[in-house]
Amino acid sequence: SQTIHQWPATLVQPVGSPLSLECTVEGTSNPNLYWYRQAAGRGLQLLFYSVGIGQISSEVPQNLSASRPQDRQFILSSKKLLLSDSGFYLCAWTLLSGNTIYFGEGSWLTVV
Amino acid sequence: RKEVEQDPGPFNVPEGATVAFNCTYSNSASQSFFWYRQDCRKEPKLLMSVYSSGNEDGRFTAQLNRASQYISLLIRDSKLSDSATYLCVVNRTGANSKLTFGKGITLSVRP
Repeated sequence: SQTIHQWPATLVQPVGSPLSLECTVEGTSNPNLYWYRQAAGRGLQLLFYSVGIGQISSEVPQNLSASRPQDRQFILSSKKLLLSDSGFYLCAWTLLSGNTIYFGEGSWLTVV
Repeated sequence: RKEVEQDPGPFNVPEGATVAFNCTYSNSASQSFFWYRQDCRKEPKLLMSVYSSGNEDGRFTAQLNRASQYISLLIRDSKLSDSATYLCVVNRTGANSKLTFGKGITLSVRP
């Protein structure tokens, strides 16, 4: 069966520090991969999605970036965090031919 | 008009109540529909897909009205454990595939 994991689960980072969140999917090949952010009391905001290795599409301009170095690995990064980057970050995957989306456990980021 | 709009909330109901959520979508090219459940500080999890003919899973019933472009979720005999946020998801598949989430509606079931 397919599984998705992301880490770290929780982190507190000072303003201006870098960020790296990692996500891996097991049990499937060539998934579509996504990074979402959910701010307190707000809906899910799509940040990035990827249809293949090295292919990244950005939905919202900001100081975050994403990379997909391997088929089932998706990384969210920032060189300098802002207070407004605080939130709940969710990695997710779908199959190319399917449409149900599955989420990782999420990463809580607090920028202080 | 937003692509996906959900009922404003929150909903606060007693145990045993029946509660219904609606979600409207604006893009008639939308092809698949889902309800997700999200517990506090957790990731959203698939509750059920929504089929054109309507579908039921225990106390939960989902319906789709393509003509009016809305989906609904009915929860019968509410339990305390049903307290969560419910998200509707609309998917436009194909070359221009796009998943769109509603903001979610929070349900609190009280004893």
